[in-house]
Amino acid sequence: AQSVTQLDSQVPVFEEAPVELRCNYSSSVSVYLFWYVQYPNQGLQLLLKYLSGSTLVKGINGFEAEFNKSQTSFHLRKPSVHISDTAEYFCAVRSTDKLIFGTGTRLQVFP
Amino acid sequence: EPEVTQTPSHQVTQMGQEVILRCVPISNHLYFYWYRQILGQKVEFLVSFYNNEISEKSEIFDDQFSVERPDGSNFTLKIRSTKLEDSAMYFCASSENRLNEQFFGPGTRLTVL
Repeated sequence: AQSVTQLDSQVPVFEEAPVELRCNYSSSVSVYLFWYVQYPNQGLQLLLKYLSGSTLVKGINGFEAEFNKSQTSFHLRKPSVHISDTAEYFCAVRSTDKLIFGTGTRLQVFP
Repeated sequence: EPEVTQTPSHQVTQMGQEVILRCVPISNHLYFYWYRQILGQKVEFLVSFYNNEISEKSEIFDDQFSVERPDGSNFTLKIRSTKLEDSAMYFCASSENRLNEQFFGPGTRLTVL
């Protein structure tokens, strides 16, 4: 069965610092990977996706992620965070019709 | 930009009552989904719906749950007899096809007393 692991439940970081949110997946078949962001009291918004092709995927709001098949990882990165990036970030893998989500990482950006 | 909408934003109900959560998916999308998120926990898949029938459902989606597309625009989730543990945020999502990204609505917070 496919699954996703987000090792960090919380990541505190100062504004303008770089950040990496880690995601590892397990899958025996082709993977389709996604990162979603959830701002307080809001729904899930797609940041970026990997379906095939280039392993470096660029998304919205300056985020990017790299698909690494050998390490079964899909880490999310941003070179310089803003206060407004404070949110919950979910990694997800597509399995048949559904998305399987990780437990989420709370990114807290401090001034 | 088209978006998924959900109503109501917050529903409070008594245990044992029936509730219907409503969603309007993006108009040209063909696949529809319900997920839920219990407070502080991860988002869990409930059911997917395509071509007017359930295509996949999770263990959570038992006989108390049902889904329907009553017309060309709405997609509903019914819980027949709510339990305390049904309290959660329920998200509707839609996608153009099985492989593309799913677009999520803002959610309905269900509180069962």
